[in-house]
Amino acid sequence: AQKVTQAQTEISVVEKEDVTLDCVYETRDTTYYLFWYKQPPSGELVFLIRRNSFDEQNEISGRYSWNFQKSTSSFNFTITASQVVDSAVYFCALSELGYGGATNKLIFGTGTLLAVQP
Amino acid sequence: SQTIHQWPATLVQPVGSPLSLECTVEGTSNPNLYWYRQAAGRGLQLLFYSVGIGQISSEVPQNLSASRPQDRQFILSSKKLLLSDSGFYLCAWRDRGPNQPQHFGDGTRLSIL
Repeated sequence: AQKVTQAQTEISVVEKEDVTLDCVYETRDTTYYLFWYKQPPSGELVFLIRRNSFDEQNEISGRYSWNFQKSTSSFNFTITASQVVDSAVYFCALSELGYGGATNKLIFGTGTLLAVQP
Repeated sequence: SQTIHQWPATLVQPVGSPLSLECTVEGTSNPNLYWYRQAAGRGLQLLFYSVGIGQISSEVPQNLSASRPQDRQFILSSKKLLLSDSGFYLCAWRDRGPNQPQHFGDGTRLSIL
């Protein structure tokens, strides 16, 4: 069965520290998609990145970077030089393809609460 | 550009009262639509999804129902609310295609008294 595990429940760092959020997934599909979302205190989920199972290139976007390793079924997220505005809950998600991808239900991890202290 | 509107933002309802939460999407057509509930403790639970008008799939048995009367309108309802229905409800949409991400509304915080 598909599953996403975010073992870190809460992380607290001081501003300017680097922090890595772990995500481990399980799936029997050969084609799948992985996502990261950010949920700030205001509540809305903000899409950050998607990655398909055939693309293992790491990606960098400003202070954010993602490390996708199929061999370990991991899709980790690193924030460099963290800032107070990065404080949020971060969710990793796996896309389950149903009937040709029509439904694309997302399987979410339980989230990691990141607190960046000034 | 596409936008998603969800209302109300907060709602306090007594046990046994009815519920109607509305979600509309603009700037796209024939989207997939989703309702999630997020209870305290952060986990996101998929309640319903819809791939077209009048097509609703329920993920978990519960006291809630969903309807899609128009292409870009998704409604979450209940005839009689329970205390356990309290939570944060999120609507989401996505374009067709296997790699399209879901985009979420701002959520409705529902408290049952």
